[in-house]
Amino acid sequence: DGGITQSPKYLFRKEGQNVTLSCEQNLNHDAMYWYRQDPGQGLRLIYYSQIVNDFQKGDIAEGYSVSREKKESFPLTVTSAQKNPTAFYLCASSITGQAGEAFFGQGTRLTVV
Amino acid sequence: GEDVEQSLFLSVREGDSSVINCTYTDSSSTYLYWYKQEPGAGLQLLTYIFSNMDMKQDQRLTVLLNKKDKHLSLRIADTQTGDSAIYFCAERLGYNFNKFYFGSGTKLNVKP
Repeated sequence: DGGITQSPKYLFRKEGQNVTLSCEQNLNHDAMYWYRQDPGQGLRLIYYSQIVNDFQKGDIAEGYSVSREKKESFPLTVTSAQKNPTAFYLCASSITGQAGEAFFGQGTRLTVV
Repeated sequence: GEDVEQSLFLSVREGDSSVINCTYTDSSSTYLYWYKQEPGAGLQLLTYIFSNMDMKQDQRLTVLLNKKDKHLSLRIADTQTGDSAIYFCAERLGYNFNKFYFGSGTKLNVKP
């Protein structure tokens, strides 16, 4: 079945450690996105990529990094520079251009302990 | 701009209609979307509307778009307890329209 897979579903990290969240899609979409969700704040865009080997910062990129070496994969690294990393992280993908919706993964809940 | 605003909560009784409202600021939006999020899950697309349309109906869902006021609404007829979730409106923006901006979400509580 086509879709987006995020792993793991739950992730615990000690303060000061980097952690990488996985996002894989088999929808053949060019564009991929990472959002952060906090209660009452909706979804905020961290990074997005419109094509392989290219990505742009979103509204809250500080403390995060991404790579886009393959069309299917867009991993997000939460670095120790991110001061408040505990949140629900959502990955999405879409076709490029004016049409089409964003398809979402099931999310990864990151907790710093 | 890319501000998308929604009220945070809505409570209705089972069988009533629910109306969830959204305002957006960027008049260049071409597509506007409604998504549903169950607890602990990702977002699922419910429906979308082109910016050159005023209304779209899809079974129990009716979307109304007022471009002049930049106001979007989602009406759910005969609301069921299974409709309890968070509902997000979103607009698609940016060069090649490849950025989606979401509202804060409206938590719908359906009382039996």
